[in-house]
Amino acid sequence: DSGVTQTPKHLITATGQRVTLRCSPRSGDLSVYWYQQSLDQGLQFLIQYYNGEERAKGNILERFSAQQFPDLHSELNLSSLELGDSALYFCASSVRTALDTQYFGPGTRLTVL
Amino acid sequence: AQKITQTQPGMFVQEKEAVTLDCTYDTSDPSYGLFWYKQPSSGEMIFLIYQGSYDQQNATEGRYSLNFQKARKSANLVISASQLGDSAMYFCAMRGFGNEKLTFGTGTRLTIIP
Repeated sequence: DSGVTQTPKHLITATGQRVTLRCSPRSGDLSVYWYQQSLDQGLQFLIQYYNGEERAKGNILERFSAQQFPDLHSELNLSSLELGDSALYFCASSVRTALDTQYFGPGTRLTVL
Repeated sequence: AQKITQTQPGMFVQEKEAVTLDCTYDTSDPSYGLFWYKQPSSGEMIFLIYQGSYDQQNATEGRYSLNFQKARKSANLVISASQLGDSAMYFCAMRGFGNEKLTFGTGTRLTIIP
């Protein structure tokens, strides 16, 4: 158990819908990262927050957004969902940034029908 | 830009044998970190081992060791005395100092045969 929690574990929804994925980092970790794992794209970095502020952005679609709250938990919002958004979404956390190890949550498996 | 290459899509290894999973990387960052993660069929990503680019010694964590050859830009994972529970996907990843994201390779699927 990495100490990072993600809910829900599974999510099945229809095209065009909007979903919210939630992540709680390890106790004491200030940085939260979101990654998407799909069969065709592999593991891709989406976005990072550090102590409530957006720190880095990767290949995140405009339909996707995220935020980190004062209690350091984070939410990833996916809207106008398409079939291609079906993937495993991971949240990871680290103490700070730099070269700190990122510990991953169990992931949320999103299926868009 | 950073790039990780894992050239072994799949490997089959007899139980109790040692196994080496290959990883080469490319980066222009003078300081960087290399990581290995394990992903069992259940899906979670489990951190295994870390090597800093300026570390003088190869990293070890229990049965895992990292064979770091900086000049060759390789960071191979060695698992000693393999067990059935080692069957999983293994990902090599890196990040540069000041570059927040992890860049992953495509992974190697390791199957341990009893």
